[in-house]
Amino acid sequence: DAGVTQSPTHLIKTRGQQVTLRCSPKSGHDTVSWYQQALGQGPQFIFQYYEEEERQRGNFPDRFSGHQFPNYSSELNVNALLLGDSALYLCASSPRLAGLQETQYFGPGTRLLVL
Amino acid sequence: GNSVTQMEGPVTLSEEAFLTINCTYTATGYPSLFWYVQYPGEGLQLLLKATKADDKGSNKGFEATYRKETTSFHLEKGSVQVSDSAVYFCALANSGYALNFGKGTSLLVTP
Repeated sequence: DAGVTQSPTHLIKTRGQQVTLRCSPKSGHDTVSWYQQALGQGPQFIFQYYEEEERQRGNFPDRFSGHQFPNYSSELNVNALLLGDSALYLCASSPRLAGLQETQYFGPGTRLLVL
Repeated sequence: GNSVTQMEGPVTLSEEAFLTINCTYTATGYPSLFWYVQYPGEGLQLLLKATKADDKGSNKGFEATYRKETTSFHLEKGSVQVSDSAVYFCALANSGYALNFGKGTSLLVTP
């Protein structure tokens, strides 16, 4: 049973560029959430997708957008990259109907460096 | 709003010492509470959770009790090992499904 997978593992971009990160949820999970973890900080919630729609969003600008596909996999897109976007981007999945008490399973993350 | 405050690290302990990492939260209603662990270069792994007041979560010798009266969820382990060296995050889930994390506490266990 594969866990949450993310690609790529590392990425280097320059300011102003655009980036796309990918996530495949754990088998049986239909909800995907994205988090940004700056160095030395706790993860910050970006948004969550369920049934191919954004269901909940954290305090992030519109430069951050996403998509969920029919197979439940998801993409995170960041436009007009800033130096401050350098972080570890984590994807988490869970089964929607299980409720708050269900564990979110995290992938290994994509480390993005913006120069 | 929802927030989590945990003790700042780094925490350095000798092997077999007792560990406590404090975590307090602010939330309306009845959130679920979690401890996640992050080993160097890896993503987050769930360590334990509690979904209602007075519940005790436990795993791998770690324990935490959901105390609504003190809005706390302190992590404890009776005897730490070198392999427990990692960053520990306290988190809560309330409205919706977003997890609100603390800033993390780095633990270093020396032989």
